[in-house]
Amino acid sequence: GPKVLQIPSHQIIDMGQMVTLNCDPVSNHLYFYWYKQILGQQMEFLVNFYNGKVMEKSKLFKDQFSVERPDGSYFTLKIQPTALEDSAVYFCASSLDRGFSGNTLYFGEGSRLIVV
Amino acid sequence: GQGVEQPDNLMSVEGTFARVNCTYSTSGFNGLSWYQQREGHAPVFLSYVVLDGLKDSGHFSTFLSRSNGYSYLLLTELQIKDSASYLCAVRDNSAGNKLTFGIGTRVLVRP
Repeated sequence: GPKVLQIPSHQIIDMGQMVTLNCDPVSNHLYFYWYKQILGQQMEFLVNFYNGKVMEKSKLFKDQFSVERPDGSYFTLKIQPTALEDSAVYFCASSLDRGFSGNTLYFGEGSRLIVV
Repeated sequence: GQGVEQPDNLMSVEGTFARVNCTYSTSGFNGLSWYQQREGHAPVFLSYVVLDGLKDSGHFSTFLSRSNGYSYLLLTELQIKDSASYLCAVRDNSAGNKLTFGIGTRVLVRP
């Protein structure tokens, strides 16, 4: 099936440093998402993105977070500066649209971030 | 408020069935999806329901009752490899149309 690729799969970073998580969504998809999952807890919505703009974001999407997709390349999540509570697995997802197909999100394998 | 609730764990026996329940509360229900997630891996889409009733997809079926804010995922003829977490996710028009996930039900299939 359609694949969403995420790079890196794992990253350990010092608190206060910047990190960029990269996502290569399914090629014809138009909507992009980031979700955060702490081990053993639920997937929590961070943000979704369409046509170069943030459409919706949650309270978890702190001021230190930003997303972009310059010139149709990777869809990125940047955290600057990182904090200990940012340690989690970050899942990128994409969908074709927001209608029926929008309920079918295709997820990447996640980027496991450890902030020390 | 909005919420998606699922039991944490469910154990069943190979060859039998498992029913994973999901209750939700939304202001503008716009569909419910089920995903399978194995430990350390991406959630994988299983099914989407928006109308009341039972939808049979072979190895599993999904049921929805919008008036009760309730859905279930029924896994039949269980195999050991069906052991995974099953996530219920609801789309709510009044919440910006994003997908809100439940915590996931960890299904353990034993021989």
